[in-house]
Amino acid sequence: AQRVTQPEKLLSVFKGAPVELKCNYSYSGSPELFWYVQYSRQRLQLLLRHISRESIKGFTADLNKGETSFHLKKPFAQEEDSAMYYCALRRSGGYQKVTFGTGTKLQVIP
Amino acid sequence: KAGVTQTPRYLIKTRGQQVTLSCSPISGHRSVSWYQQTPGQGLQFLFEYFSETQRNKGNFPGRFSGRQFSNSRSEMNVSTLELGDSALYLCASSMTGEGNTEAFFGQGTRLTVV
Repeated sequence: AQRVTQPEKLLSVFKGAPVELKCNYSYSGSPELFWYVQYSRQRLQLLLRHISRESIKGFTADLNKGETSFHLKKPFAQEEDSAMYYCALRRSGGYQKVTFGTGTKLQVIP
Repeated sequence: KAGVTQTPRYLIKTRGQQVTLSCSPISGHRSVSWYQQTPGQGLQFLFEYFSETQRNKGNFPGRFSGRQFSNSRSEMNVSTLELGDSALYLCASSMTGEGNTEAFFGQGTRLTVV
């Protein structure tokens, strides 16, 4: 069974500092990986997916199959980045359920 | 276009009762998934429906059930409620529920069991 691990419950950084939210997964195949974000009092929404290799709001994430990781990074944190971040995985092939990590709360200190 | 709508937003029930939650997906979306969100466990997958058929199921007891209607609206039912069922229940819809398609979440139903 697939598993997603986000080792940090809370990550506090100062405004302007680099951010790295860790995500490790266990799955032997080729996963489809996502980062979702939930801002205060807003609904959970997609931030980015690995297949798109995109940068959203300055965030990027690279899939490292060797280390089975999909860490989320941003070079300079902004106060508006404060939110809950969830890493998620779907097995490849057909319709598969999405497994979420337990989430990391990012707190950007002004 | 309208987002995913969940009703009701808040519910308070007594142990032993049953409850039904509703989810209206984005128009055109045929896949609806349900999750239980708690502070300690994060989001845990309950089940997923597509075209009125349950395609995937998580590791929850049989007290948790769901269904989907021909208009893609979905309901989730929990019978014989327990205190541990208190949680935020989220519904997510997507076009197909496959590959890297994006899931759009509702605001959730906050269930409190007393």
